Amino acid sequence: AQSVTQPDIHITVSEGASLELRCNYSYGATPYLFWYVQSPGQGLQLLLKYFSGDTLVQGIKGFEAEFKRSQSSFNLRKPSVHWSDAAEYFCAVGALYGGATNKLIFGTGTLLAVQP
Amino acid sequence: DAGVTQSPTHLIKTRGQQVTLRCSPKSGHDTVSWYQQALGQGPQFIFQYYEEEERQRGNFPDRFSGHQFPNYSSELNVNALLLGDSALYLCASSSQDRNTEAFFGQGTRLTVV
Repeated sequence: AQSVTQPDIHITVSEGASLELRCNYSYGATPYLFWYVQSPGQGLQLLLKYFSGDTLVQGIKGFEAEFKRSQSSFNLRKPSVHWSDAAEYFCAVGALYGGATNKLIFGTGTLLAVQP
Repeated sequence: DAGVTQSPTHLIKTRGQQVTLRCSPKSGHDTVSWYQQALGQGPQFIFQYYEEEERQRGNFPDRFSGHQFPNYSSELNVNALLLGDSALYLCASSSQDRNTEAFFGQGTRLTVV
């Protein structure tokens, strides 16, 4: 079965501290992996994506993620968290159907709180 | 570039009613997908439209239907609304011609009372 697991429902970090959000996936085909961020009541903004190539991908706002096929993981990291990073983060897996992104399977999200 | 736009932003309906939500894709995109996001959950795939046809469908009942117009815009229709249909409905667009990620709109918050 295709699924995405985000084991941490809620994480609190201090401003300036490092961050790692975990994501594990189960997917039968070659996975295309994404991290999205959602502020309260808002849509989803893409942070970064992995389609192929270098397994360490850089995204916006200083985020990066590493694809580890052997561990079926795609963890999101940031070396120094800012108060504006407080939001909900979703990991998603999909495929390409034609050229467009196929249906995405999302995890349940990790809610990040940043304390001063 | 206007990005993906959805209307309305908020909607309140009564059980048993029908609702139509609208989505305009990002410029240059021809594929539209719809997702339902219940409170505290990740988005769940409803269906995807390309060339005015439904290409894929998630695990949603037939009460959920859609349409895509020649200009690539799309509608999501939900009949016989249930309280459990209350959610944020997200539209995402992408392109068949090149490898692109899905771009999401801000969503329509539907409340069924």
